[in-house]
Amino acid sequence: GESVGLHLPTLSVQEGDNSIINCAYSNSASDYFIWYKQESGKGPQFIIDIRSNMDKRQGQRVTVLLNKTVKHLSLQIAATQPGDSAVYFCAENMQGFQKLVFGTGTRLLVSP
Amino acid sequence: DTAVSQTPKYLVTQMGNDKSIKCEQNLGHDTMYWYKQDSKKFLKIMFSYNNKELIINETVPNRFSPKSPDKAHLNLHINSLELGDSAVYFCASSQRDEKLFFGSGTQLSVL
Repeated sequence: GESVGLHLPTLSVQEGDNSIINCAYSNSASDYFIWYKQESGKGPQFIIDIRSNMDKRQGQRVTVLLNKTVKHLSLQIAATQPGDSAVYFCAENMQGFQKLVFGTGTRLLVSP
Repeated sequence: DTAVSQTPKYLVTQMGNDKSIKCEQNLGHDTMYWYKQDSKKFLKIMFSYNNKELIINETVPNRFSPKSPDKAHLNLHINSLELGDSAVYFCASSQRDEKLFFGSGTQLSVL
């Protein structure tokens, strides 16, 4: 299940489950959104992006959904694997502004 | 070949010292950034440079001075280090406002 504590929100799933990580973004003028994965000791790694003229985009095992009405973004990971365990960040940007603003992050824990 | 490389990986120093972190990208991008990640994993932009020109300075103390000798390099110099500067610093690059590519981070510990 999902829990919010003093530290990062954590989503714990079993291997093979589908995972959904949610993000509320802040700026209604943002028009470009990115999901990043950060493994321990590494920098954030690009997963998938979506522009505001779309509401869904699919990659390999990942899908991003964008709901501009409620300023909500989600990342769906199909058939989650132990290697998916990491901290996931959503980020938003506004066209013409070179300033990617990150959300607070969600830790995904995948148990075998 | 590493796309965005930063050195050193770890930096341990005393309060009051001055230190630098170097960053280089070989992606041909025109924009480079410094981000700070605190102990709660929150990532916050500090600076961005476009073609060697400062674009964003997010109210960072002036003890932090970025320097971009060319568009492939963006170094970060920090004067008079304080305990609160302890964090992981990430360099990144992008082509204009496209997705960012990050380096592997520099963990700074101020004692």
